[in-house]
Amino acid sequence: GENVEQHPSTLSVQEGDSAVIKCTYSDSASNYFPWYKQELGKRPQLIIDIRSNVGEKKDQRIAVTLNKTAKHFSLHITETQPEDSAVYFCAASVYNNNDMRFGAGTRLTVKP
Amino acid sequence: SQTIHQWPATLVQPVGSPLSLECTVEGTSNPNLYWYRQAAGRGLQLLFYSVGIGQISSEVPQNLSASRPQDRQFILSSKKLLLSDSGFYLCAWNPARDRGMNTEAFFGQGTRLTVV
Repeated sequence: GENVEQHPSTLSVQEGDSAVIKCTYSDSASNYFPWYKQELGKRPQLIIDIRSNVGEKKDQRIAVTLNKTAKHFSLHITETQPEDSAVYFCAASVYNNNDMRFGAGTRLTVKP
Repeated sequence: SQTIHQWPATLVQPVGSPLSLECTVEGTSNPNLYWYRQAAGRGLQLLFYSVGIGQISSEVPQNLSASRPQDRQFILSSKKLLLSDSGFYLCAWNPARDRGMNTEAFFGQGTRLTVV
C-alpha cells in the first residue's frame, strides 16, 4: 500500500519568514495530495490540495508543489503569522482506492 | 450541507472494558467512512475504512473492530481495551469518488480515549 513520509517533524520559524514542509509517497498511482492543518485539540481541516495533473497550486500565502517523477510534494507558507502555528499533515490517495494515507505530521511554531 | 457527528468527546475506560465509539454523517449518501487514530505526538494512523454498508477494510490487525450498520453510521468497537488503545480517535468521511478522482476528507471532532 501507499506510504507517506513527512519532514521535518518540528519546525520553528520567526514571524514573517517562510516555512516549507516536504512529503514523499511510494505509490506512483497516487493522484490526490491534500494538506491538513490541525490546531491544538481540534480536528484536522483541509487547507489546500493538489491533483496529479497539476504541478503547483497557490492560495494566498500557501502553495503546494508536486513532482510526480520524484514522488514528492511540498507545502510552502510565506509571511508566516503566529496563527499559522499548528500541526500540518500531508496525505496521498491512490486512484481507484478509497483509503487516504497521512504523513506523521509537522509541528510548526511561528515565533512573534 | 453535510455534517459529521462523533461522540463521546472524551472517554476514560479501565483496561479490559469494552468500547463503542459512534460516528454519523448527515446531508450526504453513500459516503466513504474512515476511522483514524492519533497517538500523542504522532500522525494519523488509518484503522478502518468503509465504502458501503457492511463493507469494512481493516488496515491494522489489533483488538479493535468496525461496523457500518447503516449508510451513514460508522462504529468503532473493542471487546477488551488495552492500555495501548489510548489516543485521539477521529472519524472522517468523503464523497464517493467523482469521475475517478478522490476528494477532501472531512473530520469529526474526535474522541480522546484514555485507558487506565
